[in-house]
Amino acid sequence: QMQLQESGPGLVKPSETLSLTCTVSGASVSSNDHYWGWIRQPPGKGLEWLGSIFHSGTTFHNPSLKSRVTISVDTSKNQFSLKVRSVTAADTAVYSCVRHGGSYFIDNWGQGTLVTVSS
Amino acid sequence: DIVMTQSPDSLPVSLGERATINCKSSQSVLYNSNNKNYLAWYQQKPGQPPKLLIYWASTRESGVPDRFSGSGSGTDFTLTISSLQAEDVAVYYCQQYYVTPITFGPGTRLEIK
Repeated sequence: QMQLQESGPGLVKPSETLSLTCTVSGASVSSNDHYWGWIRQPPGKGLEWLGSIFHSGTTFHNPSLKSRVTISVDTSKNQFSLKVRSVTAADTAVYSCVRHGGSYFIDNWGQGTLVTVSS
Repeated sequence: DIVMTQSPDSLPVSLGERATINCKSSQSVLYNSNNKNYLAWYQQKPGQPPKLLIYWASTRESGVPDRFSGSGSGTDFTLTISSLQAEDVAVYYCQQYYVTPITFGPGTRLEIK
């Protein structure tokens, strides 16, 4: 049974960088069958895809966040990471790391971690 | 971007009755070369992450009860729960993965009448 676990600060100041890491167990981020990604959900609102990465480093991002998002992968640690620069209160959300199935549907989700942007 | 809409916003259904949730995409998510619809359905219970129910519009994920079924093609899709159980109370989302950015519908809240 695979698991994804997000880790990182729960509070970030406006204009700073949000950084989260997803540790994968029971599966390998080096798999040729899966992309790995990040989804966020503001409190009481819907789901927003931020971006996804393949073990080779190929990434796809949501243009709505312009160039504020960076996603990287560390195959030696079986982890992948998210950075969101220049955060504002609008970036307050539950951030979840996910595994994509045979295409871009999502077959596994982390539990999610709430990140609050506030001074 | 492909915009996903869902109806209704909220759906009260009696236990044992059928529940039907609709999802519409702003453009077709049917890939003609493989005749697959790039549409998935998720169930989200309070305090939990979403759970994959259906992908390719009608393929049930392993372990999902067969009372859940998906149908539709092109731009119009439906999630049907044939006989509502108490544990089905949740918010249901559709998602297109035909193109990036991947986009989700706003959700339908299913409740017991």
